[in-house]
Amino acid sequence: AQKVTQAQTEISVVEKEDVTLDCVYETRDTTYYLFWYKQPPSGELVFLIRRNSFDEQNEISGRYSWNFQKSTSSFNFTITASQVVDSAVYFCALSEASTSGTYKYIFGTGTRLKVLA
Amino acid sequence: NAGVTQTPKFQVLKTGQSMTLQCAQDMNHEYMSWYRQDPGMGLRLIHYSVGAGITDQGEVPNGYNVSRSTTEDFPLRLLSAAPSQTSVYFCASSYSDSFYNSPLHFGNGTRLTVT
Repeated sequence: AQKVTQAQTEISVVEKEDVTLDCVYETRDTTYYLFWYKQPPSGELVFLIRRNSFDEQNEISGRYSWNFQKSTSSFNFTITASQVVDSAVYFCALSEASTSGTYKYIFGTGTRLKVLA
Repeated sequence: NAGVTQTPKFQVLKTGQSMTLQCAQDMNHEYMSWYRQDPGMGLRLIHYSVGAGITDQGEVPNGYNVSRSTTEDFPLRLLSAAPSQTSVYFCASSYSDSFYNSPLHFGNGTRLTVT
């Protein structure tokens, strides 16, 4: 069965510090997708990144970077030089692609990041 | 460019009342789903659909019904509301097939309170 674990419930950092949000997943499939979403205080869910199981290259987008390691079933998210605007709840999600046509997206419980000025 | 539209934004129900949360998308997405968000529980999948006429249960389906008569609409029905259903509900859709899952597009949510 699919499972996504975000063990960090809440993290507080001071502005300009680097912070890493952890995500560990479980799946039986060899083909799957991993996602990160951001939910700012306004409540909407904003897509950040998608990674498929065949692409283990790390990705960097500005101050954001993602480290995908299949060997440890982890897909961690690092914010460099954090800013107050990064304060939000961050969700990791997993979706399995299936030839049977059934698939679903499962989310972790989220990590609340507070960046203090 | 409406994306995913959820109505209503807020709703207060009394225990035992029924209601339908509406969700519509204009992106021709086959995959649609409903989540509830509760403090400390993240986003939990209620029901999902991979196309018109096809629905399936998620992690927390009890107390909710869905149907998918068109590609565009995926309503969520509460037949007899209970206080435990107080939550924020999100509808989401994506372009997905057997081999490819695009990111989910979310609606803005419905905040439901059951007294």
